[in-house]
Amino acid sequence: QKEVEQDPGPLSVPEGAIVSLNCTYSNSAFQYFMWYRQYSRKGPELLMYTYSSGNKEDGRFTAQVDKSSKYISLFIRDSQPSDSATYLCADYSSNTGKLIFGQGTTLQVKP
Amino acid sequence: DGGITQSPKYLFRKEGQNVTLSCEQNLNHDAMYWYRQDPGQGLRLIYYSQIVNDFQKGDIAEGYSVSREKKESFPLTVTSAQKNPTAFYLCASSMRVRGRSNQPQHFGDGTRLSIL
Repeated sequence: QKEVEQDPGPLSVPEGAIVSLNCTYSNSAFQYFMWYRQYSRKGPELLMYTYSSGNKEDGRFTAQVDKSSKYISLFIRDSQPSDSATYLCADYSSNTGKLIFGQGTTLQVKP
Repeated sequence: DGGITQSPKYLFRKEGQNVTLSCEQNLNHDAMYWYRQDPGQGLRLIYYSQIVNDFQKGDIAEGYSVSREKKESFPLTVTSAQKNPTAFYLCASSMRVRGRSNQPQHFGDGTRLSIL
């Protein structure tokens, strides 16, 4: 079992839809959670960073962490074609000092 | 503008050849990392360095080598011992706050390596 699991998709939605991207993790030592966006042929770009259970909002993006069920989500409101990218969740373990990435979910927002 | 610069953008390797990928950052970050990205597998850690003149193996270090002689630079050499080098290579850096390495990592735009 991978330490961080993501459904690779692809996920296709119409413009303006609410998008829900999800990750599960198995290691209770994970304390910090990040979401990255990666456009084709580019490096990942940090979107959200959180360390506590609950919601964190930044513009159209909301990150949600549920440590009791080891589940993290990224919600995108009013999705735009420019949101079409691969979204990577990443979890930091204080035990190893390493960032563990999910395999990424590819999102396509159709105009 | 502060950031991470990786070069070249595309690189081709012949059989038996070593190649070196460059990574330079002007963010004044202490920690630097090298990842390999393959389709459907996410990012896997090759090597990382928390401080100048020190580095540690990641999860897939075999066939790779690094050096960290300057804070700004962390070059990766893909040696001939790496039998499947075709991949997208990403360099990242992060701050270290009071000895904790949980700060977000910031990435360069990668080097795509292919076999001739």
